[in-house]
Amino acid sequence: DAKTTQPNSMESNEEEPVHLPCNHSTISGTDYIHWYRQLPSQGPEYVIHGLTSNVNNRMASLAIAEDRKSSTLILHRATLRDAAVYYCILKKMTTDSWGKLQFGAGTQVVVTP
Amino acid sequence: DTEVTQTPKHLVMGMTNKKSLKCEQHMGHRAMYWYKQKAKKPPELMFVYSYEKLSINESVPSRFSPECPNSSLLNLHLHALQPEDSALYLCASSQGLEGRRAKLFFGSGTQLSVL
Repeated sequence: DAKTTQPNSMESNEEEPVHLPCNHSTISGTDYIHWYRQLPSQGPEYVIHGLTSNVNNRMASLAIAEDRKSSTLILHRATLRDAAVYYCILKKMTTDSWGKLQFGAGTQVVVTP
Repeated sequence: DTEVTQTPKHLVMGMTNKKSLKCEQHMGHRAMYWYKQKAKKPPELMFVYSYEKLSINESVPSRFSPECPNSSLLNLHLHALQPEDSALYLCASSQGLEGRRAKLFFGSGTQLSVL
């Protein structure tokens, strides 16, 4: 299975943008890029996902490299509530892998006032 | 209602006990999942149910026995657990298994301690 590589931790000031990188050099054509985050004492929460094009939603933006070997999750204005572990996950869209969402190590985001 | 509710929130059990974890959702989702999360580690997939049928079993030991009695409920029956099974057990649901339908909604988990 294709793996993702993320920095262990990143620090940001409140109201500043946060750019979270993810490397996935062995990504295949059937892999979608998903991001989830996990706040302290909670279950993971869906953030965003994409295949080839950049994606935006109310929580974040996802920028995907042209060769798809890397992507960046962008939090436009970090708040204290955005302090969490952010997981970049490759999800296959083949019938034998439907339902498999397997988490990597993730990036711990620290937001300072 | 966009919630996945897990009970109990905390559970302490001995190695000879039998207990069950319960998960409930009322979003009309037809896929439900169990994950296990050890402290400071990412969640690990255990089981996936689709339309009340077991779809994926990630080689989980038989002392963990899942059950999906209906589309809203998912149970995890525990028997003869070991101390190393102590972890946070997370339940999730999604509309389906593919594409946009595979967006997962997670509960807050059951913190299990095996003595």
